[in-house]
Amino acid sequence: DTAVSQTPKYLVTQMGNDKSIKCEQNLGHDTMYWYKQDSKKFLKIMFSYNNKELIINETVPNRFSPKSPDKAHLNLHINSLELGDSAVYFCASSQGWILNTGELFFGEGSRLTVL
Amino acid sequence: AQSVTQLDSHVSVSEGTPVLLRCNYSSSYSPSLFWYVQHPNKGLQLLLKYTSAATLVKGINGFEAEFKKSETSFHLTKPSAHMSDAAEYFCVVSGSSNTGKLIFGQGTTLQVKP
Repeated sequence: DTAVSQTPKYLVTQMGNDKSIKCEQNLGHDTMYWYKQDSKKFLKIMFSYNNKELIINETVPNRFSPKSPDKAHLNLHINSLELGDSAVYFCASSQGWILNTGELFFGEGSRLTVL
Repeated sequence: AQSVTQLDSHVSVSEGTPVLLRCNYSSSYSPSLFWYVQHPNKGLQLLLKYTSAATLVKGINGFEAEFKKSETSFHLTKPSAHMSDAAEYFCVVSGSSNTGKLIFGQGTTLQVKP
């Protein structure tokens, strides 16, 4: 059983399109995250939800909209895709604050390519 | 502001020789520090963490790291490299004292030669 699963794993699309990436965790965690990894492998947090409530919202264009229908799911919707959105997007989860638990559980990533 | 610097973007070792991946941090308070590993086309996995307990921290797969406050360092070591250790390694510092925000280093690619 995959603990944190993301779909799709690969996504190739044209500029201007709208796309979504889904994430589900079966660990019973109450906090979920979206991270973006660029071509230089630099990882940066985008959003974090705790019990379906948005708690971290970094400086991300409002074309990116996270949605958490329940504690086990955190989806990422991207409108009007741009070339610079090409990256690997990682979903992660933790039980409570990361500083208390010390561990994020990551999905395998969704590689988005915008042409 | 908190920050973390991994001093080497690429480290190459021979199988069976020691591994040293260097990490310096900057923090205005006592930080929590982590090392994560990312194998090709996989998500990140926690190797070990320091959260103000023992300064020498042991992790999975034979890795360990030592927190040195005077040097603001948290270097990752392993006595003997294995081929399966080839991966990307990230040093991570907690972004603040009361949030779940982590600051990732730039990553170090570890190459293990036979």
